[in-house]
Amino acid sequence: KAGVTQTPRYLIKTRGQQVTLSCSPISGHRSVSWYQQTPGQGLQFLFEYFSETQRNKGNFPGRFSGRQFSNSRSEMNVSTLELGDSALYLCASSVALTGAWDEQYFGPGTRLTVT
Amino acid sequence: AQSVSQHNHHVILSEAASLELGCNYSYGGTVNLFWYVQYPGQHLQLLLKYFSGDPLVKGIKGFEAEFIKSKFSFNLRKPSVQWSDTAEYFCAVSSTGGGNKLTFGTGTQLKVEL
Repeated sequence: KAGVTQTPRYLIKTRGQQVTLSCSPISGHRSVSWYQQTPGQGLQFLFEYFSETQRNKGNFPGRFSGRQFSNSRSEMNVSTLELGDSALYLCASSVALTGAWDEQYFGPGTRLTVT
Repeated sequence: AQSVSQHNHHVILSEAASLELGCNYSYGGTVNLFWYVQYPGQHLQLLLKYFSGDPLVKGIKGFEAEFIKSKFSFNLRKPSVQWSDTAEYFCAVSSTGGGNKLTFGTGTQLKVEL
């Protein structure tokens, strides 16, 4: 079974631009979560989508948004990029049959550099 | 709000040494506890988890962790480490009923020397 895939793997953007990152979950998984990983702040939860609806949200500004499609694929968008948005963005998927917690499988991440 | 503290940021051990990585969490309700591992160049993966029941949980590759509710701790242990255990280890917590929202600690970089 293919794992969680994220595209692109690396991205360089300029301050003020916007960016869209994509995540394809494991087949059959309905929940997709996004995390930001930086050396200073570690791993921080951005949001979770389940059946095309945002189920959980972290403490990030409104410039960070996401969505989930009917095939469970998810995208996250960051508008008006700032230097501090440079990070590894991780996507994780889970089966989420009952809506309760179940094991999350992480993707390789997208390395975003903002210059 | 939940928070997780990992006190050891960098640990260096010789092969066959015993390992204990500390993890303390702050949360007033019932929690689920996890340890994740990230080997060099690989994805983050689940090492073990605690939901309820026996506070001593066993995970993959000989790792175990003990949940001590009175101390809000969930320390990771391994009696004898191997060079292949070199990795970064993350403690994480989620609140029961909180879906898949994980709060992570800052991680512990473990280096095992031959």
